[in-house]
Amino acid sequence: GAVVSQHPSWVICKSGTSVKIECRSLDFQATTMFWYRQFPKQSLMLMATSNEGSKATYEQGVEKDKFLINHASLTLSTLTVTSAHPEDSSFYICSARDRRLAGKNYEQYFGPGTRLTVT
Amino acid sequence: KNQVEQSPQSLIILEGKNCTLQCNYTVSPFSNLRWYKQDTGRGPVSLTIMTFSENTKSNGRYTATLDADTKQSSLHITASQLSDSASYICVVSAYYKLSFGAGTTVTVRA
Repeated sequence: GAVVSQHPSWVICKSGTSVKIECRSLDFQATTMFWYRQFPKQSLMLMATSNEGSKATYEQGVEKDKFLINHASLTLSTLTVTSAHPEDSSFYICSARDRRLAGKNYEQYFGPGTRLTVT
Repeated sequence: KNQVEQSPQSLIILEGKNCTLQCNYTVSPFSNLRWYKQDTGRGPVSLTIMTFSENTKSNGRYTATLDADTKQSSLHITASQLSDSASYICVVSAYYKLSFGAGTTVTVRA
């Protein structure tokens, strides 16, 4: 149980185009999903927190108009990188929190990540 | 500022040997401490999660310890296997906010 999937697993796009990444919780409902970015040999950096049915909360320095997040259902969140540039090339990882697990010691399940390369 | 420091940055060990990874943190207020294993090009997978009152937790050959007084944690890998080659990330939670360490890259050689 507690599986989080991401699609696609890797994508190459041209500079100036937009790309959408999907994050799904396969066997549980996720009230909250998180989007991270990870550069080579660095740790995960939280980009935004998305709650089902409401606007995402972005971390300082993350452009909300460039990284569009939609959490339309309890099992799906999407991250759209708009007008992508080579510096957006990175490993994007989502995670989801099981709504059944209350309290601050909840488990957070990570997706397998999406490798984005912008040429 | 909440910080999580891990050491060493990387290490190489021979198959079958043991190793210990360290994590020091200054996160406050403290909710829990987690260790994740991240294979190259994959998302992190949870190994252990410990609350303030727990000072040791095991998951197979992985044993994590926590000293909440000194704000230190360690992850011990016993009888390492080639499949243990990965990055190990220490994550400390302050309520619902996670602070990530930079990770320790472990390479197990035959």
